[in-house]
Amino acid sequence: QKEVEQNSGPLSVPEGAIASLNCTYSDRGSQSFFWYRQYSGKSPELIMSIYSNGDKEDGRFTAQLNKASQYVSLLIRDSQPSDSATYLCAVSGSFKTIFGAGTRLFVKA
Amino acid sequence: EAGVTQFPSHSVIEKGQTVTLRCDPISGHDNLYWYRRVMGKEIKFLLHFVKESKQDESGMPNNRFLAERTGGTYSTLKVQPAELEDSGVYFCASSPGGALNTEAFFGQGTRLTVV
Repeated sequence: QKEVEQNSGPLSVPEGAIASLNCTYSDRGSQSFFWYRQYSGKSPELIMSIYSNGDKEDGRFTAQLNKASQYVSLLIRDSQPSDSATYLCAVSGSFKTIFGAGTRLFVKA
Repeated sequence: EAGVTQFPSHSVIEKGQTVTLRCDPISGHDNLYWYRRVMGKEIKFLLHFVKESKQDESGMPNNRFLAERTGGTYSTLKVQPAELEDSGVYFCASSPGGALNTEAFFGQGTRLTVV
């Protein structure tokens, strides 16, 4: 079992729709959870961090964490073509951050 | 404030040669990470420094890879001798010290091609 699992996609949504990205992790001791966005040929950039159960909203982005289910998700509302990228889920515990393989998102104009 | 910088941005070397990658973390960041992304695969953890000490090197693929962080500032990752499967993008990231894991800031990566 991979430590952090994501659906590789591609996930295709029309402009203006909600994109839902999901991630599961295996280490129950994980404490911090991050979503990074990576455009092709660029380095990952942090877009959301979440540390406790529940929802965290920042603009069009909402991160959701459920530690009991070992599940974290990212919702992107009013998706734009510029949101097209690979989204990486990252989980930290024991001072080490593990990344998922990433989900490719395409937002069609 | 300068971000994480990596050098070189690209490197093409022949199988059997040696390559050294450099990472300069954000000033004052105790934590420094090396990751690698091979084409089509996920970003893989290689190792983690806390200041000059190796906290975790469980992701290093084999003894052809040597990472150092003398003085707790910049870090180097040497591959000797390089093999074809070492090709990929090597990312460095840094984060401040502290008990709670904080976000890591990434460099632009070094694209290594072994031919």
